[in-house]
Amino acid sequence: DGGITQSPKYLFRKEGQNVTLSCEQNLNHDAMYWYRQDPGQGLRLIYYSQIVNDFQKGDIAEGYSVSREKKESFPLTVTSAQKNPTAFYLCASSIDENTEAFFGQGTRLTVV
Amino acid sequence: QKEVEQDPGPLSVPEGAIVSLNCTYSNSAFQYFMWYRQYSRKGPELLMYTYSSGNKEDGRFTAQVDKSSKYISLFIRDSQPSDSATYLCAIFPSGSARQLTFGSGTQLTVLP
Repeated sequence: DGGITQSPKYLFRKEGQNVTLSCEQNLNHDAMYWYRQDPGQGLRLIYYSQIVNDFQKGDIAEGYSVSREKKESFPLTVTSAQKNPTAFYLCASSIDENTEAFFGQGTRLTVV
Repeated sequence: QKEVEQDPGPLSVPEGAIVSLNCTYSNSAFQYFMWYRQYSRKGPELLMYTYSSGNKEDGRFTAQVDKSSKYISLFIRDSQPSDSATYLCAIFPSGSARQLTFGSGTQLTVLP
């Protein structure tokens, strides 16, 4: 089955720890995105990547980092510098920048 | 003013009703329009994607775009309890899906 797989589904982190969220796609899409969703708010773009080994900051990149070493994979690291990391994180991909985005099932991160 | 405004709801309708979900946007550069359905604790699922003014129909769903008024709508005919979800509008300008901007979502409940 083609799709976007995010793991884990739920993640708990202690304050001060870094944590990495996984996103893998087998759709052969060039573009990949990370969004954050908070209750009552729309999705906000954290980082995006148009091609391998290239990525750009989105609107709320502070406290986050990414890598794009393979076309299929776009992991997101939430660092201890992110002051309010508890949220629902969504990964998406699209064929290119002119096409619709498809989403994974999300990772709910809770800082305890 | 937000770039995309969406009626927040919540909206509750009886089974079989016609549902109208709406968004307005402020930037005339936006050219691509999408509607996503998001069930609780899941990733958004693409329902409709269009880039022209007018209507696009897919089964019980009709997406309507009025670029002159900067207004988009999603109509659901013969609504079912399984349509109960949050509906997100999303738009972006030509050639720049990284600028995909989401509405905050309308929570819909269809009562059996």
